[in-house]
Amino acid sequence: GNSVTQMEGPVTLSEEAFLTINCTYTATGYPSLFWYVQYPGEGLQLLLKATKADDKGSNKGFEATYRKETTSFHLEKGSVQVSDSAVYFCAQINAGGTSYGKLTFGQGTILTVHP
Amino acid sequence: GAVVSQHPSWVICKSGTSVKIECRSLDFQATTMFWYRQFPKQSLMLMATSNEGSKATYEQGVEKDKFLINHASLTLSTLTVTSAHPEDSSFYICSAQGQGFTDTQYFGPGTRLTVL
Repeated sequence: GNSVTQMEGPVTLSEEAFLTINCTYTATGYPSLFWYVQYPGEGLQLLLKATKADDKGSNKGFEATYRKETTSFHLEKGSVQVSDSAVYFCAQINAGGTSYGKLTFGQGTILTVHP
Repeated sequence: GAVVSQHPSWVICKSGTSVKIECRSLDFQATTMFWYRQFPKQSLMLMATSNEGSKATYEQGVEKDKFLINHASLTLSTLTVTSAHPEDSSFYICSAQGQGFTDTQYFGPGTRLTVL
């Protein structure tokens, strides 16, 4: 079945450090891929997405490239800020089968950025 | 654009009572809405999918008689937790998917339910 695996956290960085959060997926067909961010006590916000192979999603300095050959969608940011502290979820939307249109989430990665 | 609201943001109730949570799409028509449950420090678990004007489709293991979902209009879906018990305490999040956003779900801010 479809699944999403994220790098285990928590991840703790100093401000201005480089961030990578790994994400790999298994799927039938060609899903769309997403990164969502959840700030403390809030719901999820769409951070970025990519809908086909080699697409790069980007927003607020974050980037992720849809790599079909490695089935990956790693999240990167060149210089993190304290305000980036949150939980990050990688997700795919099922492209076929009985779960068509449903999001499958990774387990989430907690990021804490210190000044 | 694509804003989803939930009401209430938090609720405390006594065991045995019922609680209704509303999910609204404020600036688009949501043909499909999803209800999730999130336990502390865990990922989201899909509970059910609702399409406007039809019965909700529940995921395996979710009690449909306990978690009543109504999607009466293109901008409103409600989740009613009936005869709530302490184990129903959780963070409930809805998302909405519009006709023009078939591959993107927009999430509400969540509702924190505490059952005493």
